[in-house]
Amino acid sequence: QVQLQESGPGLVRPSQTLSLTCTVSGGSISNDDYYWNWIRQPPGKGLEWIGYIHSDGSTTYNPSLKSRQTISLGTSKRQFSLKLSSVTAADTAVYYCARVIGSRGWYFDFWGRGTLVTVSS
Amino acid sequence: DIQMTQSPSSVSASVGDRVTITCRASQGISSWLAWYQQKPGKAPNLLIYAASYLQTGVPSRFSGSGSGTEFTLTISSLQPEDFATYYCQQANSFPLTFGGGTTVDIK
Repeated sequence: QVQLQESGPGLVRPSQTLSLTCTVSGGSISNDDYYWNWIRQPPGKGLEWIGYIHSDGSTTYNPSLKSRQTISLGTSKRQFSLKLSSVTAADTAVYYCARVIGSRGWYFDFWGRGTLVTVSS
Repeated sequence: DIQMTQSPSSVSASVGDRVTITCRASQGISSWLAWYQQKPGKAPNLLIYAASYLQTGVPSRFSGSGSGTEFTLTISSLQPEDFATYYCQQANSFPLTFGGGTTVDIK
């Protein structure tokens, strides 16, 4: 069974770049039918989709983040990453990575446990 | 963007109760809708996809219905492990969006 695990710094200074990695085990990131997503949840609030990457490197992003986000494939074929630039306190959230099976529709069937990122000086 | 509105925002219920949660989309999304359950400190868990299809491993007391702009999630007989927050999500178009959540707590 596929498992996802987020990793990265838990504290980021305002105006800096947040960087997170998602490591996928129990399955291939290269499967053509899979799309790899980032989703975030501010403390006590709802869920916001950030964007996805496909194994061919194509991406789609949520415009609400004003093009501050970049999702890329890792050098390892089991990783993909998120970078979010010019962060503010409003970017404080639990960040999740999640999988979509494209042929089934854009539903997130496997999620990582999430990692809390706090933006503070 | 498609706005997803859930009601109620919270509901108090007892074990054994039937609970219904509604999700409305700001425009038609056919049956492109999912429901998730989230417990405190945990990631969301997919319950229902394509409005009415039960995800593998999800108990049959959960069911979903609806199409177009109005959808419901029903828990036929609430169990202790069902006290959680539930989110709907539209899968019709980008950006993918979620409802604000409905918290089911103990009466």
